[in-house]
Amino acid sequence: DAGVIQSPRHEVTEMGQEVTLRCKPISGHDYLFWYRQTMMRGLELLIYFNNNVPIDDSGMPEDRFSAKMPNASFSTLKIQPSEPRDSAVYFCASSPGLRGYGYTFGSGTRLTVV
Amino acid sequence: QKEVEQNSGPLSVPEGAIASLNCTYSDRVSQSFFWYRQYSGKSPELIMSIYSNGDKEDGRFTAQLNKASQYVSLLIRDSQPSDSATYLCAVPGGYNKLIFGAGTRLAVHP
Repeated sequence: DAGVIQSPRHEVTEMGQEVTLRCKPISGHDYLFWYRQTMMRGLELLIYFNNNVPIDDSGMPEDRFSAKMPNASFSTLKIQPSEPRDSAVYFCASSPGLRGYGYTFGSGTRLTVV
Repeated sequence: QKEVEQNSGPLSVPEGAIASLNCTYSDRVSQSFFWYRQYSGKSPELIMSIYSNGDKEDGRFTAQLNKASQYVSLLIRDSQPSDSATYLCAVPGGYNKLIFGAGTRLAVHP
């Protein structure tokens, strides 16, 4: 099992540009989560999906952020337009949704907006 | 919004000592609790889960849960320099989503 795969690992972009982060969950995991981690705010849940359907997007900071899960093996988080305050590490995680399993995190994407 | 509180540290312990990490939570109905370890520059990794009051042991790690007092702790026996990391406590925040504490940074010195 390759685990949760995220790409790219690092992204540097200029303010105002569109950024797309990608995630491939573990096969068979019905839940997919997008988190953002900063020193100031720690790990924040942005949005999560169950069986490809968005369940809770209350953590999405504003309309500049959007997420999709077109199928069970792929999800994207898009920021348009990006701003310097979006600089953070973005983690994708997946879970089989059963008690006791917790989450498996991907390696993360370190985003820097200059 | 449920609250999860952890002392940010750093908690510094000598090699071979017991490291004690604590976490308090605000929601009395929480049923399951998780400890994650995160090395610098890496992603969080699940190391322990606990659901019942009392202790749960796994190798050098022991998780302790006290629902009446709303705290969960993680003990690391015979601490090693390789245990130096940030330890995150997580509790359910709703339907299969986890709320994470800010984490406690542990430093084990030789």
